Amino acid sequence: AQSVTQPDIHITVSEGASLELRCNYSYGATPYLFWYVQSPGQGLQLLLKYFSGDTLVQGIKGFEAEFKRSQSSFNLRKPSVHWSDAAEYFCAVGLRAPNTDKLIFGTGTRLQVFP
Amino acid sequence: SQTIHQWPATLVQPVGSPLSLECTVEGTSNPNLYWYRQAAGRGLQLLFYSVGIGQISSEVPQNLSASRPQDRQFILSSKKLLLSDSGFYLCAWRAGTGGREQYFGPGTRLTVT
Repeated sequence: AQSVTQPDIHITVSEGASLELRCNYSYGATPYLFWYVQSPGQGLQLLLKYFSGDTLVQGIKGFEAEFKRSQSSFNLRKPSVHWSDAAEYFCAVGLRAPNTDKLIFGTGTRLQVFP
Repeated sequence: SQTIHQWPATLVQPVGSPLSLECTVEGTSNPNLYWYRQAAGRGLQLLFYSVGIGQISSEVPQNLSASRPQDRQFILSSKKLLLSDSGFYLCAWRAGTGGREQYFGPGTRLTVT
């Protein structure tokens, strides 16, 4: 069955430090790939997406993610974290299959940023 | 631009009472619509999705139902709430054609007491 794994439940970084959030998926083909961010009590906001082409994708708020087919990974990165980046981050995959219209989400990584 | 609304924002209901959560989308036509539930410390669980008026697909057997009476309106209901129905309910939409990215509403926090 298809699945998404975010191995880090909670990450703490200092403001200004670099960040990498890990995401691995299990699927027989290349899925559509997404990262979302959720602030407490809020809905999810789309950070970036990968459908095809260049495996390094740029998103909003200075985030980027790299698709690595050989590792079935889509890790999210930011070179310098700001205090406002503290939130929960979700990786999601969409399946490239007919009659399938849903995203499969990971369980999320909570990011805490220290000043 | 497109916007998605959910109401109410918060709701406290006793066990056994009915439920109706509403979601509406503006600025687009023929969207695909989704209801998710998010439990504390867990990811998002897809409950229902709809590709058109009156067309509902259920992902998880449960105490809830969904309806789509209009193109841009999606309603989540229950006849009798259970304690286990507590959670954060999110509505989402995506364009009927094109990419698979979904856009989420602000959510409804439901507490069943």
